[in-house]
Amino acid sequence: KQEVTQIPAALSVPEGENLVLNCSFTDSAIYNLQWFRQDPGKGLTSLLLIQSSQREQTSGRLNASLDKSSGRSTLYIAASQPGDSATYLCAVSWGGGNKLTFGTGTQLKVEL
Amino acid sequence: DGGITQSPKYLFRKEGQNVTLSCEQNLNHDAMYWYRQDPGQGLRLIYYSQIVNDFQKGDIAEGYSVSREKKESFPLTVTSAQKNPTAFYLCASSVGTSGNTGELFFGEGSRLTVL
Repeated sequence: KQEVTQIPAALSVPEGENLVLNCSFTDSAIYNLQWFRQDPGKGLTSLLLIQSSQREQTSGRLNASLDKSSGRSTLYIAASQPGDSATYLCAVSWGGGNKLTFGTGTQLKVEL
Repeated sequence: DGGITQSPKYLFRKEGQNVTLSCEQNLNHDAMYWYRQDPGQGLRLIYYSQIVNDFQKGDIAEGYSVSREKKESFPLTVTSAQKNPTAFYLCASSVGTSGNTGELFFGEGSRLTVL
């Protein structure tokens, strides 16, 4: 069964800290992997999309890496700020499919 | 501004009633999707459409119906047959037409509560 797991479910860090969010998936034959941010009661905002052929993608203070062989992706957030507080969701599309399978997310709180 | 508009934001329904959630996009995307989000669970796919006048069932289509008469619009009807309809519903779109998805863009969601 193709599954996506995100651990931990919640994380609290002090402002300014660099942090890593984890995403693991059970089948390495992925097509792409996408990281999203969700604020309470809101929709999802796309952060980064990594295609199967790529190893990483960067946008500002965010860097996402992909290791298909180990079934893992990480989202690195540099110099965290209180405004980064949100739930971060990882989603995987497997080859030939037209749908994303989502993890349950990591709720991040960046404290002053 | 280009984007996806969902309405209404909040909706209350009595048991036994059908309700329709609206989703409109002006991104000129071919593919549109409906997801359901419940506390502590990942998003689950209800229906998706790759092109006008065509749509496919997702993982949890029972009790739901959709239509795709226009490229811009993909309304979702939650019928009385849906046993547990209280949830947060999210509409999304992507450029991709066939095969795999590209980047997904989401609306702000509609929260449905059954009284």
